[in-house]
Amino acid sequence: DGGITQSPKYLFRKEGQNVTLSCEQNLNHDAMYWYRQDPGQGLRLIYYSQIVNDFQKGDIAEGYSVSREKKESFPLTVTSAQKNPTAFYLCASSLRGPNTEAFFGQGTRLTVV
Amino acid sequence: SQQGEEDPQALSIQEGENATMNCSYKTSINNLQWYRQNSGRGLVHLILIRSNEREKHSGRLRVTLDTSKKSSSLLITASRAADTASYFCATDSTQGGSEKLVFGKGTKLTVNP
Repeated sequence: DGGITQSPKYLFRKEGQNVTLSCEQNLNHDAMYWYRQDPGQGLRLIYYSQIVNDFQKGDIAEGYSVSREKKESFPLTVTSAQKNPTAFYLCASSLRGPNTEAFFGQGTRLTVV
Repeated sequence: SQQGEEDPQALSIQEGENATMNCSYKTSINNLQWYRQNSGRGLVHLILIRSNEREKHSGRLRVTLDTSKKSSSLLITASRAADTASYFCATDSTQGGSEKLVFGKGTKLTVNP
C-alpha cells in the first residue's frame, strides 16, 4: 500500500534531549513538509523540501532541523534549543509541491517530561 | 505567518442541516485546498480549486472561490454525525522562489445526531 508513515506515534523527551521524528513515504512524491499543531493554532510550517538534498525553513524553524538525503525520507530533529516542543507533529508529502494534493501521516505526539 | 483564516472557529449544527465554513487569505494564490482532520489524526484532502475556477463540487461538498475578495467557502450539505471534524483551508505561498503549503487555523464542526 502506498502512503506516508510517521513514527513513533507517541514520543516522550526529557529536558535537554534531542529527538528525531521519522517520516517515510512511498508515493514517489517530490515535496515533503513538517507541521506543528498546537490547540487552537492550526498547522504551522516548520520545514519543507521540494526536492532531494534541498529544504527551506518555514515559519517556526528555530529549534528544529531536517535532512532530505533520500526522496522517501524527511526526518525532523527537535533539538534542545526548542523551548516548548510539546505538540502534535504532522508530516505531509505532495507530488509536485503546493499545487497538488498533500497526503498526511497520522502524526507524532511529542511530550516533554 | 498563516495565509488562510477560517471562519467561524467553531460551528455546531444538527444532523441534516447544511454547514458553511469560510476562508480568507492575504496574497494571490494559484489554488486553494480544503482538508478535514478527525481529532488526533492526520489531515485528509477534500478538494482543490484553482484560481481560475469559481465553484467546484464533490459529493456533498461545494467549494467556491472569489479571488477578488480573497475568500473561499466550503459548504457541506445534509450533514451527518460522521462529518464532525476540523476543517482547514490551505493555500500555496511563495517564499524566496520556493513554494510552500500554508494552512489556516481551522473550523471545528460538530454535527449533533
